Amino acid sequence: RKEVEQDPGPFNVPEGATVAFNCTYSNSASQSFFWYRQDCRKEPKLLMSVYSSGNEDGRFTAQLNRASQYISLLIRDSKLSDSATYLCVVKRSKIIFGSGTRLSIRP
Amino acid sequence: EAQVTQNPRYLITVTGKKLTVTCSQNMNHEYMSWYRQDPGLGLRQIYYSMNVEVTDKGDVPEGYKVSRKEKRNFPLILESPSPNQTSLYFCASSPLTNTGELFFGEGSRLTVL
Repeated sequence: RKEVEQDPGPFNVPEGATVAFNCTYSNSASQSFFWYRQDCRKEPKLLMSVYSSGNEDGRFTAQLNRASQYISLLIRDSKLSDSATYLCVVKRSKIIFGSGTRLSIRP
Repeated sequence: EAQVTQNPRYLITVTGKKLTVTCSQNMNHEYMSWYRQDPGLGLRQIYYSMNVEVTDKGDVPEGYKVSRKEKRNFPLILESPSPNQTSLYFCASSPLTNTGELFFGEGSRLTVL
């Protein structure tokens, strides 16, 4: 079993829709959590950190549920430019990447 | 401009021919790391370095070597490449060892025939 698991997708949603995806992690000692975005054939870039109280950055909302060991990313009013792969990242003594969830926004 | 620079960006080589992928960062970061990315497997760490002259194995170090003689440079060496090392490679750096924010290079796509 992978330490960080994500639904690979693809999620195919219309522009303007709200989409959410989760990521589960197996090690309860995990300390920090992040979402990265990776465009096709490009390098990953930090999208946002995930805080215990939940946090928002514009149309993006991240949540952490330590009891159930998952983090989530919600994208509201999705744009064509949101099409990308979203990587869940968990940090304890090392940084561990999920395999990513592909999101495709259609006009 | 703050950046992580990798070279070459694309390379096709043959089995057994030694190659080096260079990585350089201009942000004075202590932490540097190499990853490979393969379909369905995500990013897997090859080697990392906490500072000059300090390197450690990641999850998939076999077949690779690294060195950290200067803070800014962290080259990845494939002494005898094999086809199973065909992959997309990323170098990354971070200002602190305890942060999850990594700054990535643009990637090096390597094909070993």
